[in-house]
Amino acid sequence: KAGVTQTPRYLIKTRGQQVTLSCSPISGHRSVSWYQQTPGQGLQFLFEYFSETQRNKGNFPGRFSGRQFSNSRSEMNVSTLELGDSALYLCASSLPGTGGGETQYFGPGTRLLVL
Amino acid sequence: DAKTTQPPSMDCAEGRAANLPCNHSTISGNEYVYWYRQIHSQGPQYIIHGLKNNETNEMASLIITEDRKSSTLILPHATLRDTAVYYCIVRFHYGQNFVFGPGTRLSVLP
Repeated sequence: KAGVTQTPRYLIKTRGQQVTLSCSPISGHRSVSWYQQTPGQGLQFLFEYFSETQRNKGNFPGRFSGRQFSNSRSEMNVSTLELGDSALYLCASSLPGTGGGETQYFGPGTRLLVL
Repeated sequence: DAKTTQPPSMDCAEGRAANLPCNHSTISGNEYVYWYRQIHSQGPQYIIHGLKNNETNEMASLIITEDRKSSTLILPHATLRDTAVYYCIVRFHYGQNFVFGPGTRLSVLP
């Protein structure tokens, strides 16, 4: 079974631009979570989508948004990019409702550099 | 904030067992203990999780104390490829995001 895929893997943008990142979950997984990882703040939760609805949200400004499609694929968007948005953006998928906890499986990440 | 405390770094000799401790003294009865690792800015890799009982899979063993306030991840025969940052996380069964702390940087030495 294929793992979580994220596109693009690398991205360079300039301040003020916007960016859209894409995530395809493991087949059959219906929950997608997004995380931001920076050297200073570590891994931080952005938001989670399940059945096209945002189920959980981290403490990030409104410039960060996401959505999920009916096929469970998800996108996240960052508008008006700032230098501090340079980070590794990670997507994780899980299969809610399974016994033993909802284990999240992470993709390789998209590395965003804002200049 | 993360609900776990881990040593910032550890060394282990190649071929020996690596024992990574985690303190989670405020864990509640229905929170699971999860372990992930991250190798040099790749996506975190799931290792193992448990609730009360000790668990073992092909990668590692998880030993949870009887009072559930601490746990130990055991890599039975560490290799150089096990060099990574290891994260211990506690969370409810569902509907709650993972809160990552700084983790333990494990260096497996030849």
